[in-house]
Amino acid sequence: GAVVSQHPSWVICKSGTSVKIECRSLDFQATTMFWYRQFPKQSLMLMATSNEGSKATYEQGVEKDKFLINHASLTLSTLTVTSAHPEDSSFYICSAPLAGANNEKLFFGSGTQLSVL
Amino acid sequence: GQQLNQSPQSMFIQEGEDVSMNCTSSSIFNTWLWYKQDPGEGPVLLIALYKAGELTSNGRLTAQFGITRKDSFLNISASIPSDVGIYFCAGLPGYSSASKIIFGSGTRLSIRP
Repeated sequence: GAVVSQHPSWVICKSGTSVKIECRSLDFQATTMFWYRQFPKQSLMLMATSNEGSKATYEQGVEKDKFLINHASLTLSTLTVTSAHPEDSSFYICSAPLAGANNEKLFFGSGTQLSVL
Repeated sequence: GQQLNQSPQSMFIQEGEDVSMNCTSSSIFNTWLWYKQDPGEGPVLLIALYKAGELTSNGRLTAQFGITRKDSFLNISASIPSDVGIYFCAGLPGYSSASKIIFGSGTRLSIRP
């Protein structure tokens, strides 16, 4: 299957600092990528859709100034958590769709565990 | 909005047992995807289903796309310790636009002590 690489795997930061998470599609191009947040023992919650060459689309309730998304190329999307606070601590996961003739599969990165002190 | 009801929420298995889990919805989906997530990792795609009635296997895993297009099932035969993890179903109402994908709440599989 297709490979989506996400870095870093985990990060610990002080409150008030910014953290950047990278998501790369290694063997395919992705004009669209998705960013999710997952709380312990819960399902994935879509935060935003990253679009190459245009602005990201944020889900209701997600602060766009808090979670900055940049889709710099067809293989790279970044999520920056700005002025992080302890309540931003969570598991963040990116994904990218790979389209076939009449179908689509969604491949995920390995996730980033963010801990804000 | 559309929701997926995944059951069971959790289950304990003994090595060698067969396992079944399912997802149901009041809405129709055109694609069903099954994922497994290990602790601290992203979900890994196990099986993708695209046609009503489709039955697809991946090793000891078998998944079916329900005839009504409102449900899907995942079976694991002869379970082994590495099957432990969280299994998510996901449904796509259309044939593309993965942003519309909807996830079930997950089934947590554990080994019975």
